Amino acid sequence: GQQVMQIPQYQHVQEGEDFTTYCNSSTTLSNIQWYKQRPGGHPVFLIQLVKSGEVKKQKRLTFQFGEAKKNSSLHITATQTTDVGTYFCAGHRYVGSSNTGKLIFGQGTTLQVKP
Amino acid sequence: DGGITQSPKYLFRKEGQNVTLSCEQNLNHDAMYWYRQDPGQGLRLIYYSQIVNDFQKGDIAEGYSVSREKKESFPLTVTSAQKNPTAFYLCASSIGSTASQHFGDGTRLSIL
Repeated sequence: GQQVMQIPQYQHVQEGEDFTTYCNSSTTLSNIQWYKQRPGGHPVFLIQLVKSGEVKKQKRLTFQFGEAKKNSSLHITATQTTDVGTYFCAGHRYVGSSNTGKLIFGQGTTLQVKP
Repeated sequence: DGGITQSPKYLFRKEGQNVTLSCEQNLNHDAMYWYRQDPGQGLRLIYYSQIVNDFQKGDIAEGYSVSREKKESFPLTVTSAQKNPTAFYLCASSIGSTASQHFGDGTRLSIL
């Protein structure tokens, strides 16, 4: 079954409000990746986090990887209509000491922004 | 420009028919992947290949088959054994098995 849970499933915000989506894994991840999929489009890679406790920023987007490497978050400050889409987290799991090579996706959070 | 090309964009299948979805990449990536996306859901891995002439089952491989005879190509066949094939199919590639993945535009498959 699904091993990477993402919440919330949907979020409606007023333009200018902040937005956060959370990702939780039942197992330790070797890395976490974030993707954005615009309506009718395909997922586009945003960023990868590898280290425990890592924080990375891309303009108004802030990505965090938890200390235990089991959870992550994406925070958008002052949303704009161009932020509309579905945001997916995805992680690679360890099996024993090896990385499986399989990327496990969360269900995604769909963000709608009212102008 | 380098990228991944999936064809066709839309595909219709009759009951009992096998159909093959094409995926070609010119990024020189070793790893390639097939995902299925259903409305309101995340991406589920069907098959993946980390190197030419080798591939592994993903989480939902039943009713699907693949081949990886060339580095650039990773076609997916949806067989008649797949009872609920209507979905959006995405092909992706990556330079290595843990690197970021680049996706094609996808193929929407429907049952007639």
